[in-house]
Amino acid sequence: AQTIHQWPVAEIKAVGSPLSLGCTIKGKSSPNLYWYWQATGGTLQQLFYSITVGQVESVVQLNLSASRPKDDQFILSTEKLLLSHSGFYLCAWSLRDKLSNERLFFGHGTKLSVL
Amino acid sequence: AQKVTQTQTSISVMEKTTVTMDCVYETRDSSYFLFWYKQTASGEIVFLIRQDSYKKENATEGHYSLNFQKPKSSIGLIITATQIEDSAVYFCAMREGDSNYQLIWGSGTKLIIKP
Repeated sequence: AQTIHQWPVAEIKAVGSPLSLGCTIKGKSSPNLYWYWQATGGTLQQLFYSITVGQVESVVQLNLSASRPKDDQFILSTEKLLLSHSGFYLCAWSLRDKLSNERLFFGHGTKLSVL
Repeated sequence: AQKVTQTQTSISVMEKTTVTMDCVYETRDSSYFLFWYKQTASGEIVFLIRQDSYKKENATEGHYSLNFQKPKSSIGLIITATQIEDSAVYFCAMREGDSNYQLIWGSGTKLIIKP
């Protein structure tokens, strides 16, 4: 069975400090991977997606970057946090083929508070 | 431009009744896919049901079904025999085309099931 693990579960960080969030998918080869951000009580905003190792596409610019160093790993990071980065970050995966009509499977998310 | 709109911010119904949540979308694409996801209080997001634009029949999945009105660009979610555990935020989302990695999300409807 496929599992998706996100870390950390929660973070409290200072403005201007660096950030690294991670996501690992086990049990599924070459998945499509996604990062989403959700403001408290808000909708989901897609940040990045990756269809293969080493390739990441940006959907919105929020002073964040993403990388896919391994087939099963997706990293979200920034060197300098802003207050506006606070929120809930979700990693998700979908099957590599049948792109458009495939469901997303989400991780449990990381709650980020920037103070 | 692509857009997904959920006008109902919150709905409250009695347990064991049927509830309908509205969603309208905007797209210029002739091929698109519509999804409903549920986010529980813990933040977990799970896929519920999907409608492909080229299918005339309304999708059903357990006690979830869809009311797909293509001329009105509307995709309502119907939950029958509601249970307390159906209390959650429900998101409508759309993906256009056959090779699109971006999902456009609505703002969500909070469903409260009263005992």
